[in-house]
Amino acid sequence: AQKITQTQPGMFVQEKEAVTLDCTYDTSDPSYGLFWYKQPSSGEMIFLIYQGSYDQQNATEGRYSLNFQKARKSANLVISASQLGDSAMYFCAMREGVDKLVFGAGTILRVKS
Amino acid sequence: DAGITQSPRHKVTETGTPVTLRCHQTENHRYMYWYRQDPGHGLRLIHYSYGVKDTDKGEVSDGYSVSRSKTEDFLLTLESATSSQTSVYFCAISASPDENSPLHFGNGTRLTVT
Repeated sequence: AQKITQTQPGMFVQEKEAVTLDCTYDTSDPSYGLFWYKQPSSGEMIFLIYQGSYDQQNATEGRYSLNFQKARKSANLVISASQLGDSAMYFCAMREGVDKLVFGAGTILRVKS
Repeated sequence: DAGITQSPRHKVTETGTPVTLRCHQTENHRYMYWYRQDPGHGLRLIHYSYGVKDTDKGEVSDGYSVSRSKTEDFLLTLESATSSQTSVYFCAISASPDENSPLHFGNGTRLTVT
């Protein structure tokens, strides 16, 4: 069963505007972590932001924020003031229990000047 | 940046040959992982290790084996490479098994099986 769903294969955003990348997840474990990674065209995987299942407030890291809606099982990434360098593939991931990280299929973001 | 080095960065091999990919870390993290990345699938876990000589299978482990004789090194072996194993392989490390601990990734190895 798909545990992480990213429904947007590709997105466009105008430079300096905000964009939301969607992520929904499925788990019966009460304790889990949600992560977003960025993969630019150079190929490396860059950790962006983390949200814990017990966290009351949405996580923020600079221009990145995570819109966490636990009842809806969604963990959307919001990028504010988009820059050309934000063009990349973005992956949502979930970590349950004690071992692995499970990834969604990714969303390609293109920032237009 | 986390000190993770994958080697080789690129490899082309023929069907039926054995291939070993190496992951070396300088962070002294206990937990190490091998993932493969294919279009439309995101990253999928092949094997992981929770200590020296302690390994376990992931969701796509068939055709792969791993070994970890030292904390810093985690090897992935394709016993007899097939074209379906053409992929980008990522090594990752984690300081903790907890759900709040991120994985940090190496730069990947692009493997082509002809």
